[in-house]
Amino acid sequence: GAVVSQHPSRVICKSGTSVKIECRSLDFQATTMFWYRQFPKKSLMLMATSNEGSKATYEQGVEKDKFLINHASLTLSTLTVTSAHPEDSSFYICSASRTPQGAGGYTFGSGTRLTVV
Amino acid sequence: RKEVEQDPGPFNVPEGATVAFNCTYSNSASQSFFWYRQDCRKEPKLLMSVYSSGNEDGRFTAQLNRASQYISLLIRDSKLSDSTTYLCVVNIFGSGNTGKLIFGQGTTLQVKP
Repeated sequence: GAVVSQHPSRVICKSGTSVKIECRSLDFQATTMFWYRQFPKKSLMLMATSNEGSKATYEQGVEKDKFLINHASLTLSTLTVTSAHPEDSSFYICSASRTPQGAGGYTFGSGTRLTVV
Repeated sequence: RKEVEQDPGPFNVPEGATVAFNCTYSNSASQSFFWYRQDCRKEPKLLMSVYSSGNEDGRFTAQLNRASQYISLLIRDSKLSDSTTYLCVVNIFGSGNTGKLIFGQGTTLQVKP
């Protein structure tokens, strides 16, 4: 089956620093990748959608300069949280799809728990 | 109004019970529908897709009513391992014909021995 690897699984960083999270599709080519954020006891909130080779499309209210998304290849997307602050502490999850329409389904990474101190 | 709404629960039921969850969605352009489960501090995992004709997978039955924009999940003969959070999810096509999954808040089920 389709596998998506997300790394790191957890990270603690100091306020003001930047953190990069990687999302890799291991056995399929992911044309489209999605980044979600989940606060405790809340729903997964879509942050942005990225298609390989294109700029990411951000959801309303998500700062594109703060959450930098790169999808330079069909197997790798990265999310960089720049100048992180304690309020950015959250569970970040990526998802990948073979096609923009989701044909074949969506495969999720195992998530990254970010704590900013 | 949230795009996907669920009763957060928790639902506490004894083993062997039948329990039903409901979900409503607001975007009539929603294309496809799913139930996921999410264990504590883990990623969501697909439980089943939901079709207009209704579909069943073992003890789980899902129903979709497009006219009412309503989705349901029925679990029969509950097991302890069914204890988790159930997420109602819709796939909406936006600009560029790209689909995106929108998640409900989740409904927590606790099955007790």
